[in-house]
Amino acid sequence: QSALTQPASVSGSLGQSITISCTGTTSDIGNYDYVSWYQQHPGKAPKLMIYDVSDRPSGVSNRFSGSKSANTASLTISGLQAEDEADYYCSSYTRRDTLPLFGGGTKVTVL
Amino acid sequence: QVQLVQSGAEVKKPGASVKVSCKTSGYTFTDYYIHWVRQAPGQGLEWMGWINPKSGGTNSAQNFQGRVTMTRDTSISTAYMELSRLRSDDTALYYCARDRGLVLVYGTLGYWGQGTLLTVSS
Repeated sequence: QSALTQPASVSGSLGQSITISCTGTTSDIGNYDYVSWYQQHPGKAPKLMIYDVSDRPSGVSNRFSGSKSANTASLTISGLQAEDEADYYCSSYTRRDTLPLFGGGTKVTVL
Repeated sequence: QVQLVQSGAEVKKPGASVKVSCKTSGYTFTDYYIHWVRQAPGQGLEWMGWINPKSGGTNSAQNFQGRVTMTRDTSISTAYMELSRLRSDDTALYYCARDRGLVLVYGTLGYWGQGTLLTVSS
């Protein structure tokens, strides 16, 4: 199965909002609401930021929000802060007994 | 609190095997899928496979089928990932991570190990 498609990089100024897209197919994002987003800082393990398209785990800032339309999921970071500079990965459930899929990752730069 | 603690860094020669452990604590080990994910230097995340700690059932990515074996020891709440016939391009950071339950392989990885660096070099 192919990976989900993300832009390689997205940048924004402090305080601005940015959106990262994650495009799949009807076999994954388009047919299931089990999309997750992970943040990874250099040298650190990934951290779950969003699950089930738009839910935030306890402790994750409400500046992070998720949505989905058809085969594309999106992560929006509002009020961009310096510590948001990191790599972001999306993932999606595909079907029972198969492996989920990751996106290729998006590097977020805060200008 | 939930913790996943992995074994230390490894250096192996091409053709050898490596076994990485993932010791869990703070929850009931048999109630959540454990996934293995790897990340080559400067690259993205790659799903290797998962194990159902209750049944021992596994599933691995096509890229690794025949080379990866995932097992568990429920008595010590530990999962293992063994990769055989190592190649230089297996050099990567290997993570274990816990899913949200056992109903489905959601791939919602809320807890991660610290990673185990594997270097494959002659």
